Amino acid sequence: AQKITQTQPGMFVQEKEAVTLDCTYDTSDPSYGLFWYKQPSSGEMIFLIYQGSYDQQNATEGRYSLNFQKARKSANLVISASQLGDSAMYFCAMREGGYDMRFGAGTRLTVKP
Amino acid sequence: GAGVSQSPRYKVAKRGQDVALRCDPISGHVSLFWYQQALGQGPEFLTYFQNEAQLDKSGLPSDRFFAERPEGSVSTLKIQRTQQEDSAVYLCASSPWPDKDYEQYFGPGTRLTVT
Repeated sequence: AQKITQTQPGMFVQEKEAVTLDCTYDTSDPSYGLFWYKQPSSGEMIFLIYQGSYDQQNATEGRYSLNFQKARKSANLVISASQLGDSAMYFCAMREGGYDMRFGAGTRLTVKP
Repeated sequence: GAGVSQSPRYKVAKRGQDVALRCDPISGHVSLFWYQQALGQGPEFLTYFQNEAQLDKSGLPSDRFFAERPEGSVSTLKIQRTQQEDSAVYLCASSPWPDKDYEQYFGPGTRLTVT
């Protein structure tokens, strides 16, 4: 069964606008961590933001924030004030009690000038 | 400091050849992960090391895949008798601690093409 679902294969956003990338997850483990990574065309995976399942507040890192809705099992990434350099693949991932991290299929974000 | 490095960056192998992919994690990082990323997909977990101990190899797709980290630092992923379906980018990641709350730092990957 798919643990991480990213339903938007591609998204477009105008430069300087905000964009939300969707992520839903499936787990019965009460303790888990959620991550977002950016993968530019060069291929490296760049860590953006982390949310723990017991964290009371939504995580924020600069222009990135995570809209964590635990009851809905969603962890959407919000990018404010989009920049041309934000164009990339974005992956949502989850790590439960084990060692493996499960990734979604990704969303390709294109920022238009 | 230096990040995670991987070599070679690109590898072309004829079907049936053996390949070895190297990962140099960030110095002092306890955890090391290998992932396989097929074109247009998210990374898929292959195996996990805590220091020199391979604690999880549940993601290795067949017994042709073998990984080691003998001294708890550099790791090698070996694929024997490569098949076309092994063509993918192989990503290595390291993390300072085993705890799931820590992010993983990824290397640039090795793109393997099996012809």
